Amino acid sequence: AQSVTQLDSHVSVSEGTPVLLRCNYSSSYSPSLFWYVQHPNKGLQLLLKYTSAATLVKGINGFEAEFKKSETSFHLTKPSAHMSDAAEYFCVVSSAASGTYKYIFGTGTRLKVLA
Amino acid sequence: DVKVTQSSRYLVKRTGEKVFLECVQDMDHENMFWYRQDPGLGLRLIYFSYDVKMKEKGDIPEGYSVSREKKERFSLILESASTNQTSMYLCASTMGTSQRAFFGQGTRLTVV
Repeated sequence: AQSVTQLDSHVSVSEGTPVLLRCNYSSSYSPSLFWYVQHPNKGLQLLLKYTSAATLVKGINGFEAEFKKSETSFHLTKPSAHMSDAAEYFCVVSSAASGTYKYIFGTGTRLKVLA
Repeated sequence: DVKVTQSSRYLVKRTGEKVFLECVQDMDHENMFWYRQDPGLGLRLIYFSYDVKMKEKGDIPEGYSVSREKKERFSLILESASTNQTSMYLCASTMGTSQRAFFGQGTRLTVV
């Protein structure tokens, strides 16, 4: 079975300070991991993905995430938050289980950026 | 441009009606998914399909069924709509487990 847990439903940061959005996963097979962002009333946009290459993955808009197998984590970070980063962020795990491919979302973290 | 198209942006249906949500992708993807999105619950997987005529239950299949007669089309069926099925429904497709998903624009379904 596979699952993903986003540890914080809401995160608030001040503009210019670092962002950390936490994600833990469970998977019986080698997983692929993704982060998506959804701005209010908009569609889902891919930020970055991990697919068993480099463990530190760089994405768009200055975001990056590190795959840590020993901790089963894939936390999303950004050195300096911008007002435009305010959105909901989803961590996703995907793996081949019994020959089929599930694509499982976490419950989301809403990021608030304070001026 | 890759495209996943859902047949309706907004739907209003009555309790007990049979409801069809259609999704078409033009990327020759093997895998297609139906989710519902509710505030605070993220996207929950209803059903997915990894090939024509093949389907698997997701985490919340109760009250839903699906059909995939052609590779490009994946339909979600609400057998007898209920008010607790009022939600945003999202269709997605991927080529494989390591590939990003492409999403439809969503269908906001209201059951009254």
